[in-house]
Amino acid sequence: AQSVAQPEDQVNVAEGNPLTVKCTYSVSGNPYLFWYVQYPNRGLQFLLKYITGDNLVKGSYGFEAEFNKSQTSFHLKKPSALVSDSALYFCAVRDRGGNRDDKIIFGKGTRLHILP
Amino acid sequence: EAQVTQNPRYLITVTGKKLTVTCSQNMNHEYMSWYRQDPGLGLRQIYYSMNVEVTDKGDVPEGYKVSRKEKRNFPLILESPSPNQTSLYFCASSPRPGTGRNNEQFFGPGTRLTVL
Repeated sequence: AQSVAQPEDQVNVAEGNPLTVKCTYSVSGNPYLFWYVQYPNRGLQFLLKYITGDNLVKGSYGFEAEFNKSQTSFHLKKPSALVSDSALYFCAVRDRGGNRDDKIIFGKGTRLHILP
Repeated sequence: EAQVTQNPRYLITVTGKKLTVTCSQNMNHEYMSWYRQDPGLGLRQIYYSMNVEVTDKGDVPEGYKVSRKEKRNFPLILESPSPNQTSLYFCASSPRPGTGRNNEQFFGPGTRLTVL
């Protein structure tokens, strides 16, 4: 069965420092992987995705993520954090190999606090 | 403007009083989905639809119904709401999985439902 784990409920980073938000997944086939961001009182916004090709994916607002098949991870990263990056981040997976590749599973979310 | 709209945005109701939350998208997307967001649980999929007249259960379908009579609309129906359905609900849409098109989801702004 598909699953997504975001092991940290909250991550605190000083402004200007690099940030990492962790995500690991489990699927039966090859995954589509996504990161979404939710700002207060807003819906989710798409940040980036991995479908195929380069393991390092670049997305919106300077974020990037690295697909690591051996570690089944898709960690979100940014070289220099901004206070405006403070938000709730969700990792999601869609399983391409199983019979139910139309289901999408989200992690529980990681709240990112960027400290001025 | 490409968007997913939900109505109402806020709703307070009482146990047992039937309600419908509407969802509409203007991007001609085949795939639509409903999620509920609860603290500590992240987003959980309630129902999804691959196309008109095609719906399927997600992870938490109990107590909910959906219909997909038109491509653009995907209403969520609570026939007899209960307090455990108090939550933040999101509708989302995307092109049909596996078509090779961009398959990230577009989310509506959310509906905050309170059942007393």
